[in-house]
Amino acid sequence: KAGVTQTPRYLIKTRGQQVTLSCSPISGHRSVSWYQQTPGQGLQFLFEYFSETQRNKGNFPGRFSGRQFSNSRSEMNVSTLELGDSALYLCASSLGKVPEAFFGQGTRLTVV
Amino acid sequence: AQSVTQPDIHITVSEGASLELRCNYSYGATPYLFWYVQSPGQGLQLLLKYFSGDTLVQGIKGFEAEFKRSQSSFNLRKPSVHWSDAAEYFCAVGPSGNTPLVFGKGTRLSVIA
Repeated sequence: KAGVTQTPRYLIKTRGQQVTLSCSPISGHRSVSWYQQTPGQGLQFLFEYFSETQRNKGNFPGRFSGRQFSNSRSEMNVSTLELGDSALYLCASSLGKVPEAFFGQGTRLTVV
Repeated sequence: AQSVTQPDIHITVSEGASLELRCNYSYGATPYLFWYVQSPGQGLQLLLKYFSGDTLVQGIKGFEAEFKRSQSSFNLRKPSVHWSDAAEYFCAVGPSGNTPLVFGKGTRLSVIA
């Protein structure tokens, strides 16, 4: 069974640009969650999508958004990038009935 | 609000020595409990989980964890550490099936010869 796939693995963007990250969950998983990981703040929850609906949302500004498609694949978008958005963005998938989450390898975003 | 505390930021152990990583959580009921491991620049790998039943759970790579309700703890143990165990370890709590995981800050494990 294929695991969670995140693309791209690495990104370098300039301040003010926008970026879209992609996540393909494990087959059959209907929930996709996104986390931001930084050395100072640790793992912070961004949002979760379940069956194409945002089910939970963390405490991030509106520049961070996401969506989920009918095949459960998910994208997250960050607009007007700031230097502080540099982080490892992790996607996790689960069945959605219990919070047992399986993580992708992450996308390393660097904002310069 | 739920919270997870991992009191040790960094632990160094000798190869072959035993290991215990501490995790305490704050939540009214018994939540779902997890331990994850992360190698540098990689995603998180699930080591083990506790949902209910036997309070001692076995995981991958020779790890085990014990749930103690009275102490709100879920400590991770390994009898003999290998150099390849050097990584960052995260304890996580899932209050229910449709709420996100709450993670501790992590414990970085270094293994010396």
